[in-house]
Amino acid sequence: AQSVTQPDIHITVSEGASLELRCNYSYGATPYLFWYVQSPGQGLQLLLKYFSGDTLVQGIKGFEAEFKRSQSSFNLRKPSVHWSDAAEYFCAVGEEGNKLVFGAGTILRVKS
Amino acid sequence: GAVVSQHPSRVICKSGTSVKIECRSLDFQATTMFWYRQFPKQSLMLMATSNEGSKATYEQGVEKDKFLINHASLTLSTLTVTSAHPEDSSFYICSANPTGTYEQYFGPGTRLTVT
Repeated sequence: AQSVTQPDIHITVSEGASLELRCNYSYGATPYLFWYVQSPGQGLQLLLKYFSGDTLVQGIKGFEAEFKRSQSSFNLRKPSVHWSDAAEYFCAVGEEGNKLVFGAGTILRVKS
Repeated sequence: GAVVSQHPSRVICKSGTSVKIECRSLDFQATTMFWYRQFPKQSLMLMATSNEGSKATYEQGVEKDKFLINHASLTLSTLTVTSAHPEDSSFYICSANPTGTYEQYFGPGTRLTVT
């Protein structure tokens, strides 16, 4: 079965600093990979996705992620964090039947 | 585009009653919709896959007679929590998969509290 690991439960960064959220997956074939963001009490918003092709994908709100097959990773990055980026971030891998398997999530705190 | 709505956003009900939650894709058609449950400070747990015009597929450990799913059209799926009990209190989130794509777009969630 597929699995997704987000090793960091909480991350705190200063506003304006760079950000990297880690995601590792376990999947036999080429995975479909996603990053979602969730604000408290809200649903999930799709930030970006990887299906194939260029391993560096650009998303909304200035986020990008890089697929590294050799490391089974799909880390999310942003060069300069804004206070409004504080939220919980979920990495997910798609599996058969278009289901998603989610990681445990990483809570991002932004300090001013 | 790709907007999914849920109704209601919050509901409080008494133990033993049933509650219906609606999930609508507003600007696209979705052959498949998904229902998740999220406990506080935890990730999303897939409950079932809702397929338009056919029976839902439930994940292991999810009681299909307790969580009734109907997907009567390409834009609407409903989840009915029957004979709700306090342990059913949770945040329920739906998502919709635009026909022919792999993405899922999520609704804003429904907070269910059973007293």
